[in-house]
Amino acid sequence: GAVVSQHPSRVICKSGTSVKIECRSLDFQATTMFWYRQFPKQSLMLMATSNEGSKATYEQGVEKDKFLINHASLTLSTLTVTSAHPEDSSFYICSARDLGNGGGNEQFFGPGTRLTVL
Amino acid sequence: AQSVTQLDSQVPVFEEAPVELRCNYSSSVSVYLFWYVQYPNQGLQLLLKYLSGSTLVKGINGFEAEFNKSQTSFHLRKPSVHISDTAEYFCAVSRFSGGYNKLIFGAGTRLAVHP
Repeated sequence: GAVVSQHPSRVICKSGTSVKIECRSLDFQATTMFWYRQFPKQSLMLMATSNEGSKATYEQGVEKDKFLINHASLTLSTLTVTSAHPEDSSFYICSARDLGNGGGNEQFFGPGTRLTVL
Repeated sequence: AQSVTQLDSQVPVFEEAPVELRCNYSSSVSVYLFWYVQYPNQGLQLLLKYLSGSTLVKGINGFEAEFNKSQTSFHLRKPSVHISDTAEYFCAVSRFSGGYNKLIFGAGTRLAVHP
C-alpha cells in the first residue's frame, strides 16, 4: 500500500516550453501533496504544499507563476513548469500523506521526474 | 527554526562491516524524526521514523536508529552492511508550518559499500 507514482519519469524539452508533471496516489487518498526539487548531489528542497480543491502554498523564494500547481482530486496533483529554462533542469519529487492513516506525519514519495531543459 | 545536520557527506565501508550515519537536529519543541534512503534516480523510501515512545527505533533492511534528546541526535546504524545498501541516506525532521507537518531534510550522506 501507500504507493505514489509520477509521470513522466524523464522529460527533455526546449527552452521556453512548458512541462507538466503528474503525481498520483495509487491506493490511498491524499488531501495534501508536497513538491520537492533536488539538484545533483544535493538534498530535497520543499517547493510547495498542494491541497485538494484549494490554492497551493509556496515556500519562500519559489515563483508561483513559474511553478503552477493544481490539486484537482484526492489522488492527483500536477506541477507545471512554465516557460522552462535550463536552470529549471532538476529532479522533481512529489510526496503525499495518507488521509486514511489519520493524516499522520509520514509522507510517501514518488519515484521522481528528471527534467532537462535544452 | 528547526534544522538537520548530517555530519558526514560520504561514508565508505567494507561489506559486512558495521556502519553509523550521524544526524543531529536543532529544535525547541518536540520533534518527529525520519531516515529515508534514495537509490540512484529514484524517489525516497522510508527506513524508519521516531514519533514517540521507545528511543530505539527499528526499521527495514536491518537498520535501526536511536533518538537521543539530550544530544539532539538520531544516528542511523546497521551492524553488517551489504553492497545493496549503497545509496544516499537522508535524515529529516518534521516541522509544523502553515498548518502542515513539513519535512526538513539534511544534506544527505552517501554510503558506499565496497566488497
